[in-house]
Amino acid sequence: DTEVTQTPKHLVMGMTNKKSLKCEQHMGHRAMYWYKQKAKKPPELMFVYSYEKLSINESVPSRFSPECPNSSLLNLHLHALQPEDSALYLCASIGASNEKLFFGSGTQLSVL
Amino acid sequence: AQKVTQAQTEISVVEKEDVTLDCVYETRDTTYYLFWYKQPPSGELVFLIRRNSFDEQNEISGRYSWNFQKSTSSFNFTITASQVVDSAVYFCALSEAWDSSYKLIFGSGTRLLVRP
Repeated sequence: DTEVTQTPKHLVMGMTNKKSLKCEQHMGHRAMYWYKQKAKKPPELMFVYSYEKLSINESVPSRFSPECPNSSLLNLHLHALQPEDSALYLCASIGASNEKLFFGSGTQLSVL
Repeated sequence: AQKVTQAQTEISVVEKEDVTLDCVYETRDTTYYLFWYKQPPSGELVFLIRRNSFDEQNEISGRYSWNFQKSTSSFNFTITASQVVDSAVYFCALSEAWDSSYKLIFGSGTRLLVRP
């Protein structure tokens, strides 16, 4: 299994809603990432978890809350988002061989 | 600070033409890694190649080839005999670290349209 699986693929939420994005990999990778990608822009790093501990937070607003329950799962909890948070949220992971980041297909988020 | 520049915003070619996507990078480190990723309309970023700063050997993989030149800080990507399925956004990326705090910094991307 060489996949990073993200659910849901699409999400529409209101500004008062609480929702969560989920990312899963079963490649035994040691680090997992959240990236945010606005339309026609490159991905921007949000968070990195290494061995289930948060190692990088790129000054992301607190309305985004990451969680790494175990080495295979990565969640992104969303609360009180703004319309400008609408974007494609990409999860990625990397293994001990450090060859490459494996990316999921993303969750397309729309905040109304 | 590290930076990746992809000056070509969009390129349009006719099928079977060769096309080169440019990538220029900036870094103060002597050890760094360069990448190319493809992003088709489906959204997933597909890994194409990784090159470390100590390996300037050019690489060919099928119709794809990469030209790494440290003297000009460039890592260009050429598609030979392009096909419609090559249509996508291509990102060049740079990382200065390769450890638990690894950060991949992307260029702005080049949108390639291959017309039949």
